[in-house]
Amino acid sequence: DAKTTQPTSMDCAEGRAANLPCNHSTISGNEYVYWYRQIHSQGPQYIIHGLKNNETNEMASLIITEDRKSSTLILPHATLRDTAVYYCIVSYSGGGADGLTFGKGTHLIIQP
Amino acid sequence: DVKVTQSSRYLVKRTGEKVFLECVQDMDHENMFWYRQDPGLGLRLIYFSYDVKMKEKGDIPEGYSVSREKKERFSLILESASTNQTSMYLCASNTEVGTQENWAPYSNQPQHFGDGTRLSIL
Repeated sequence: DAKTTQPTSMDCAEGRAANLPCNHSTISGNEYVYWYRQIHSQGPQYIIHGLKNNETNEMASLIITEDRKSSTLILPHATLRDTAVYYCIVSYSGGGADGLTFGKGTHLIIQP
Repeated sequence: DVKVTQSSRYLVKRTGEKVFLECVQDMDHENMFWYRQDPGLGLRLIYFSYDVKMKEKGDIPEGYSVSREKKERFSLILESASTNQTSMYLCASNTEVGTQENWAPYSNQPQHFGDGTRLSIL
């Protein structure tokens, strides 16, 4: 699986859009980009994933650059409950048959 | 919504005890996983299962065993608990999409996690 690079931490004001970047310059053609988050003392929560096209669901939007070397997770209207560690993972199988590997992630802090 | 339920949020056991951690999912997923998560070490795969009665070792299976008698339930067993098994244990599941060339299961679907069991071995 390709390696990812994320900022260690970010702040965002409540009600504003939170934009979390992820670099994955070694991504290969059949690898997906997945985003999870983990709120303190809870299990990881799946957010969104995509291959080439931008994706949107009820939680977030995922913007993948045309060369697929980076992506951005967008939380459109951040709330205090969005404070968590966000993990970007690049994988052929999403850990589907052999487990997920989380990096250090980005600690997103939503400020009131 | 996918629901993965782990039997206990917090558990305290003694060294040498046999410990059972239970996990149930309600989405008819073929694949189920057990991880442990420790500060500075991230998420590590202990065992996974891609079908009833099937199991595969992950990265750190030593000291653990698993059981999958029914599709929805995947149990993790600590045969003789030790203090270095104090950790957060996470169960996950996802659906199988197909098979790879080597007949291994393949899925590009995301894994869904339970809330975790924080296990302390004294």
